[in-house]
Amino acid sequence: AQRVTQPEKLLSVFKGAPVELKCNYSYSGSPELFWYVQYSRQRLQLLLRHISRESIKGFTADLNKGETSFHLKKPFAQEEDSAMYYCALITGGFKTIFGAGTRLFVKA
Amino acid sequence: GAVVSQHPSWVICKSGTSVKIECRSLDFQATTMFWYRQFPKQSLMLMATSNEGSKATYEQGVEKDKFLINHASLTLSTLTVTSAHPEDSSFYICSAPGPVSGSYEQYFGPGTRLTVT
Repeated sequence: AQRVTQPEKLLSVFKGAPVELKCNYSYSGSPELFWYVQYSRQRLQLLLRHISRESIKGFTADLNKGETSFHLKKPFAQEEDSAMYYCALITGGFKTIFGAGTRLFVKA
Repeated sequence: GAVVSQHPSWVICKSGTSVKIECRSLDFQATTMFWYRQFPKQSLMLMATSNEGSKATYEQGVEKDKFLINHASLTLSTLTVTSAHPEDSSFYICSAPGPVSGSYEQYFGPGTRLTVT
């Protein structure tokens, strides 16, 4: 079965603290994984994709095929990082399966 | 960058009426578009894949006769909620793969909030 699991609905951290948003996937093929972010009153937008191995706004995510995980990390959280984060898996034909989402709240 | 728009941004309709939502790719062509439904504080649920010039592909459990999809041009897909009922009230979002070949990135519209009274 194709599935994306984000176990935490809400993650609250203090400014400057490290943050890790968990994502696990289930997919029989070679996974294409993304993290999307939705800031308050804005549309969903791409944060980063696993294939590019880039760091965006200080966030990184490494694909671990052994653990079928694609956790999103940032060493020092900022207040402006507060948003809804969705892990997404691309299946055949560009179809995107989203995880349930994790709301990150960064406290001052 | 690639931009996807939706119209209207919100709509209120009476039970039993139909409402059409438009999704446009503004500066690129999209042979495929996707329609999602998002309930409050929940994730996006894929409803259907809209294919230009052919029939849409619906996800399991989505009534194709209730949610009519038309993708008549390379920049426009429409979702018509027919005989709407209060349980159809939701946030409807469309997306399209970006113009870069080989990229699976999706560009999302701002969403349409439908309220059925």
